[in-house]
Amino acid sequence: EAGVTQFPSHSVIEKGQTVTLRCDPISGHDNLYWYRRVMGKEIKFLLHFVKESKQDESGMPNNRFLAERTGGTYSTLKVQPAELEDSGVYFCASSDRVEQFFGPGTRLTVL
Amino acid sequence: QKEVEQNSGPLSVPEGAIASLNCTYSDRGSQSFFWYRQYSGKSPELIMSIYSNGDKEDGRFTAQLNKASQYVSLLIRDSQPSDSATYLCAVNPTGGFKTIFGAGTRLFVKA
Repeated sequence: EAGVTQFPSHSVIEKGQTVTLRCDPISGHDNLYWYRRVMGKEIKFLLHFVKESKQDESGMPNNRFLAERTGGTYSTLKVQPAELEDSGVYFCASSDRVEQFFGPGTRLTVL
Repeated sequence: QKEVEQNSGPLSVPEGAIASLNCTYSDRGSQSFFWYRQYSGKSPELIMSIYSNGDKEDGRFTAQLNKASQYVSLLIRDSQPSDSATYLCAVNPTGGFKTIFGAGTRLFVKA
């Protein structure tokens, strides 16, 4: 069974540009989560989808971040416009119940 | 006070010894507790979950939960060099699937 996949693995952009990250969860998992790890800090929750609905988006830092999960399958996280402090590793995780399984992450560098 | 606290380490143990990793959490109503292992540059890998007071054993790993003391621990028996990694304690606070992570404890197992 394929695990959680994320694309791209790395992205380097300039401040003010737009970046879109993609996550494909484990097949059949209704729950999808986005997390972020900024250098030197702990992994922080961003939001949680149940199928296509946002269940909890309390961790989204500001309105420059937009997450979607159309059709309840893959999800995208768009950052527009990107700022320097958005640099970090963005992880996606999925679950069918409580236990979450993480993807490899996307390392985002904003210059 | 951080929601999930761990000693950052590093914790160094000789091969074959028992490694003991500890974690405290602030939300007394938390119901789900997890230990993830993260190798450098990789994604977190779920190794143990525990939901009720007491011990849960899985191979060389034992998770211990004490809700009265708001304390979770992970014991690794017969530690191997391949166990060298950062161990993340994670907690689902009251009423949700959102997961709060500690900053992690770095473990080194010396051959």
